[in-house]
Amino acid sequence: GQQLNQSPQSMFIQEGEDVSMNCTSSSIFNTWLWYKQDPGEGPVLLIALYKAGELTSNGRLTAQFGITRKDSFLNISASIPSDVGIYFCAGRDNYGQNFVFGPGTRLSVLP
Amino acid sequence: DAGVIQSPRHEVTEMGQEVTLRCKPISGHDYLFWYRQTMMRGLELLIYFNNNVPIDDSGMPEDRFSAKMPNASFSTLKIQPSEPRDSAVYFCASSVLPGQGAWGSNEQFFGPGTRLTVL
Repeated sequence: GQQLNQSPQSMFIQEGEDVSMNCTSSSIFNTWLWYKQDPGEGPVLLIALYKAGELTSNGRLTAQFGITRKDSFLNISASIPSDVGIYFCAGRDNYGQNFVFGPGTRLSVLP
Repeated sequence: DAGVIQSPRHEVTEMGQEVTLRCKPISGHDYLFWYRQTMMRGLELLIYFNNNVPIDDSGMPEDRFSAKMPNASFSTLKIQPSEPRDSAVYFCASSVLPGQGAWGSNEQFFGPGTRLTVL
């Protein structure tokens, strides 16, 4: 079945640093979503990507839909303490309504 | 809109008991999804509905799990009998019907989840 890999699994950064994480798939997807989950809460949608090569920003967050359609990247600039959480990618192909979720990247921001 | 509403937020029960989790999707959303999240397995899709009809229940782990959607504004996930390995956070999510050719218009919005502990 479809699987998504996210890297890194976890990361510790200093406040103010930029962050990069990625998501790779063994299959081609036509939609990529990036979510953030805070402790005790449900995932919250950050960015949605619909076209290969698309680059979309949401404040300090920027995400890109890889040209191969098998990967996506999320960057966070000038990290702040509230960026702490787990970041999930999710992908969907042309044939299904449901999304496949990656295992997540756990981000910790040190003051 | 209040977003996706789930109840209860926390449930502690004993093995063998019946558990019912409830979800109210965002008004106007045509799709409803039930997920389970554990440390070991991450987010797993259990079942999803389109216009109150179950479309794919291949993720439902066993016959002990059942889900219903009697109307557009309410869904339940039932576990009977519950077992300790069912302990997890259960999320409900909803999305709109994508427009013609607009495959990208169906982002899923998640509820706050129900944390289930089976002793």
